[in-house]
Amino acid sequence: EVQLQESGPGLVKPSQSLSLTCSVTGYSITSNYWGWIRKFPGNKMEWMGYISYSGSTSYNPSLKSRISITRDTSKNQFFLQLNSVTTEDTATYYCARRRVFDYWGQGVMVTVSS
Amino acid sequence: DIQMTQSPASLSASLGETVTIECLASEDIYDILAWYQQKPGKSPQLLIYDASSLHTGVPSRFSGSGSGTQYSLKINSLQPEDFASYYCQNGLSAPLTFGSGTKLEIK
Repeated sequence: EVQLQESGPGLVKPSQSLSLTCSVTGYSITSNYWGWIRKFPGNKMEWMGYISYSGSTSYNPSLKSRISITRDTSKNQFFLQLNSVTTEDTATYYCARRRVFDYWGQGVMVTVSS
Repeated sequence: DIQMTQSPASLSASLGETVTIECLASEDIYDILAWYQQKPGKSPQLLIYDASSLHTGVPSRFSGSGSGTQYSLKINSLQPEDFASYYCQNGLSAPLTFGSGTKLEIK
């Protein structure tokens, strides 16, 4: 069974970087697409970006140069880094498989606050 | 970016009723449209992909239809576990975009 699990700090200070890990079991990240999605308070959902089976990436232009998604195939993990965070980046962050998301992690709530 | 306009924002219905949720894309997305259900404190769950294909394990009372820019999710004979939030999603082209959601509440 495919399982994804996010991990990372739940509190980040403004202007710092948010770093999350998605650990995948039951399926190799060298196949398919692996993405990050966030849900804001108020329930808006935003796709942030993905990393493909080949390691290529695609990002939401709204995040401009703040975002980076990388991977470690030896650990079957992929990572999100979001730089220069503000309070508007407070959200629940999910990792998921594919471009139509058939498997999701349980989500991690991240609060940006001093 | 492809904008997804979802309606209604909220919906109140009784057990056993049938409800329909609509999603309008700002351009043709060639049926690359997904529907998700999300319950409080849980991650979204895929219900429908490619506009009308039922994801594994999803009850047959859920169905999707539409083409081009107009899509809908229908839930027949509402069960207690169906009261949740629902989202549509453009899967055609990046940036992948979601509708604003529909909260289905019990009447």
